[in-house]
Amino acid sequence: TQLLEQSPQFLSIQEGENLTVYCNSSSVFSSLQWYRQEPGEGPVLLVTVVTGGEVKKLKRLTFQFGDARKDSSLHITAAQPGDTGLYLCAGVGGSSNTGKLIFGQGTTLQVKP
Amino acid sequence: NAGVTQTPKFQVLKTGQSMTLQCAQDMNHNSMYWYRQDPGMGLRLIYYSASEGTTDKGEVPNGYNVSRLNKREFSLRLESAAPSQTSVYFCASRLQDRVSHEQYFGPGTRLTVT
Repeated sequence: TQLLEQSPQFLSIQEGENLTVYCNSSSVFSSLQWYRQEPGEGPVLLVTVVTGGEVKKLKRLTFQFGDARKDSSLHITAAQPGDTGLYLCAGVGGSSNTGKLIFGQGTTLQVKP
Repeated sequence: NAGVTQTPKFQVLKTGQSMTLQCAQDMNHNSMYWYRQDPGMGLRLIYYSASEGTTDKGEVPNGYNVSRLNKREFSLRLESAAPSQTSVYFCASRLQDRVSHEQYFGPGTRLTVT
C-alpha cells in the first residue's frame, strides 16, 4: 500500500515568515501534485512535478520533487494571510490510466497579519 | 461552465437511513471519483470510474455503492448510514490524459449521521 506522510500537520506563523511543508513516502510515484483547499471548497491543483529533482516555482511558492521520486516539499517565502489554507500533496498511484491519487494527511497553514 | 457540481451541500441522516449523493461534470471528462475527507486523514478514495460504464473500489468502499449514470454523472449511495460515515464527501473528475492527472473537485457535501 502506498502512503504519503505529510508534515507538519499544523503551522501557525506570522506574515513575512518562510515555511516548508514536507511530503514523504517509501514508495516511488510517477508524479506528485500539490493542492490547496480553502474552507467550504474542494481542493484546487497548484502544481504537478514529474521528473526526479524537478523544481517548480509559482510566485512565492517553490515545489521540489525528490531525486528518487519518493518525496516532495513546498516552500513558501514571505508568507501572506492569503496563503492561509489546507495544503495537500497527492501521488499518482496505480496505473496512469486510472489516475488514482494517494493523498497525504494535509497541512493546515494559518498566516497571521 | 459549472465544472463539477454536487448536491446536496449539507445533509443530516439518522442511523440506518439511506441517501444518494449526486455529482455531475460538464467538462467532458472520462474519469470520475468519490472521496471522503476526515480531519487529519486527507482525502481517501471511496470509488472511482475510469471511464463511462466502469466502476472500481478505492481505499474505503465498505458501506457505499456507486453508479456511473452516463459520462456526466456519478452518484454515491449510502444504503444504511452509520455514524462512522459522518464526513465531507468530494466528487472529482479528470480528463484521463497520461500527463496531467489533474483532478477537478466539486464543492463537497457535508454529511452528518446521528
